[in-house]
Amino acid sequence: KQEVTQIPAALSVPEGENLVLNCSFTDSAIYNLQWFRQDPGKGLTSLLLIQSSQREQTSGRLNASLDKSSGRSTLYIAASQPGDSATYLCAVDSNYQLIWGAGTKLIIKP
Amino acid sequence: DTGVSQDPRHKITKRGQNVTFRCDPISEHNRLYWYRQTLGQGPEFLTYFQNEAQLEKSRLLSDRFSAERPKGSFSTLEIQRTEQGDSAMYLCASSLLVDKNIQYFGAGTRLSVL
Repeated sequence: KQEVTQIPAALSVPEGENLVLNCSFTDSAIYNLQWFRQDPGKGLTSLLLIQSSQREQTSGRLNASLDKSSGRSTLYIAASQPGDSATYLCAVDSNYQLIWGAGTKLIIKP
Repeated sequence: DTGVSQDPRHKITKRGQNVTFRCDPISEHNRLYWYRQTLGQGPEFLTYFQNEAQLEKSRLLSDRFSAERPKGSFSTLEIQRTEQGDSAMYLCASSLLVDKNIQYFGAGTRLSVL
């Protein structure tokens, strides 16, 4: 059974710092991995999708990496801004459904 | 394209009542998913449709839950005889299978059972 874990559960950093969020999964047989952002009380916004054959994806200040063999993904955020404050969730696509981590709540202090 | 739309955004009900939620996917998306999210947790898969066929249901989906997608367009999720444990955010997503199956999410329906 696929399990997804995100560490840390919460993170608070000063504005301008670079930071890394971690995601690990137990079964390497995945189709893809996605990183999402969720603002309080809101739905989910897809940030990056890495297909199983890829190693990384970049979008603006965000870079996500995938190491299937070790069951790990990281989301790197460069030059963090207060607007980046949100909960970040990773999800692995195991055939027809997404299996989710519990998220990392990120606070960027001005 | 207005994205995935869910209605209502909030629902407060008394224990034992029935509730129904609606999801309108992005047009021409052939897959539609329902997830449930409780506070502080990631979403949990409930069920999904490919066109009008319901292809998979999670064990989380008890007999009190039923989902439909008539004509392969919008979908409804009904909960009968609601319990306090049903209080959660219910999220709908849709995807186009050929587009890497990227799932696009609606804003969700927040259910509070009193």
